[in-house]
Amino acid sequence: AQSVTQLGSHVSVSEGALVLLRCNYSSSVPPYLFWYVQYPNQGLQLLLKYTSAATLVKGINGFEAEFKKSETSFHLTKPSAHMSDAAEYFCAVSVKGGGSNYKLTFGKGTLLTVNP
Amino acid sequence: KAGVTQTPRYLIKTRGQQVTLSCSPISGHRSVSWYQQTPGQGLQFLFEYFSETQRNKGNFPGRFSGRQFSNSRSEMNVSTLELGDSALYLCASSLVGVSTDTQYFGPGTRLTVL
Repeated sequence: AQSVTQLGSHVSVSEGALVLLRCNYSSSVPPYLFWYVQYPNQGLQLLLKYTSAATLVKGINGFEAEFKKSETSFHLTKPSAHMSDAAEYFCAVSVKGGGSNYKLTFGKGTLLTVNP
Repeated sequence: KAGVTQTPRYLIKTRGQQVTLSCSPISGHRSVSWYQQTPGQGLQFLFEYFSETQRNKGNFPGRFSGRQFSNSRSEMNVSTLELGDSALYLCASSLVGVSTDTQYFGPGTRLTVL
């Protein structure tokens, strides 16, 4: 079965600093990978997704992630944090199950705090 | 284009009662998925409906059920509520379903069971 591990439930950075949120996955078949962001009292919004095309994926709001098969990782980065980036971030993997249907499995989430 | 809407946004129930939550997907989307979000367990997949048929199901007891109507709107029902059912319930819609398709999430229904 597939699973997702997000290292660090809480990450704190200064405004203007590099943001690095870590995600490792386990899957016996090629996965599709996603990063979502959740602001307080809102649903999830897609930041970016990897669907077996380019391994470096660019998303919205200046975020990007690199798929590294050898490391089974899909870490999310942003060169310079902004106060508006403060939110909870979820990594997710979509893998075909026993039948023909896919299932989306989420990591536990990483709460990003941006300090002025 | 209007986003995914969920009603009600907040709900308070007591143990043993049942509850029905509603989700209206983005126009043209045929897939609706439901998730339970709690601080302890995170986001867990409940089920997915596509063209009125349940296509996939997570590991939840039979007290959790759902359905989808011909206009793609979906309802989720929880019977015999337990304290542990307190959670944020999110629905997501997409054109063809979970795979590489982007899931668009609603704001959620916050259910509190007393």
